[in-house]
Amino acid sequence: ETGVTQSPTHLIKTRGQQVTLRCSSQSGHNTVSWYQQALGQGPQFIFQYYREEENGRGNFPPRFSGLQFPNYSSELNVNALELDDSALYLCASSLEGRNTEAFFGQGTRLTVV
Amino acid sequence: GENVEQHPSTLSVQEGDSAVIKCTYSDSASNYFPWYKQELGKRPQLIIDIRSNVGEKKDQRIAVTLNKTAKHFSLHITETQPEDSAVYFCAASWVKAAGNKLTFGGGTRVLVKP
Repeated sequence: ETGVTQSPTHLIKTRGQQVTLRCSSQSGHNTVSWYQQALGQGPQFIFQYYREEENGRGNFPPRFSGLQFPNYSSELNVNALELDDSALYLCASSLEGRNTEAFFGQGTRLTVV
Repeated sequence: GENVEQHPSTLSVQEGDSAVIKCTYSDSASNYFPWYKQELGKRPQLIIDIRSNVGEKKDQRIAVTLNKTAKHFSLHITETQPEDSAVYFCAASWVKAAGNKLTFGGGTRVLVKP
């Protein structure tokens, strides 16, 4: 059984640019959630994808968007990057149903300069 | 939406002593309460969770209690060891068929002194 993997691990971007982060869910998991973790804070829910559809969104602007593919992997896209977007971006996969433990990837550290 | 508050923000204990972290939540519909441990530079890892139909759950040195009426839940670590040093996060969620969306507390940095 493979765990949740994210790429890249680190990324430096310039303000105004666009970025795509990737996540491969744990084998068999069909739900992927994305979280933003600013330094010294708890993760904040961005959105969730279930069966390739967005299934809930946190308090993030539309320039944060995502996709889920038929193999349940997912992408997080952020347009018009701002300095405050600098954070650790975590994805978590889980399996639908009552056993809902969320397994986190190691994260992508995004720095916007 | 759900709001989760966590206290204290830092906790220093002597090895062998107990550590207690407390969280409160706002949404009475929340029914799933996991606790995650995050070591420096690593991913959050689930250490224990509890559902709203249970008042207490224990796993070796770790226990969690839930008071639904007061909307608070706590993590108890007994006989602390240096490897327990990490940041601990509580979270709350309303579990639906398609999975849960976690609202996290601000975290507690635990330091276990040898």
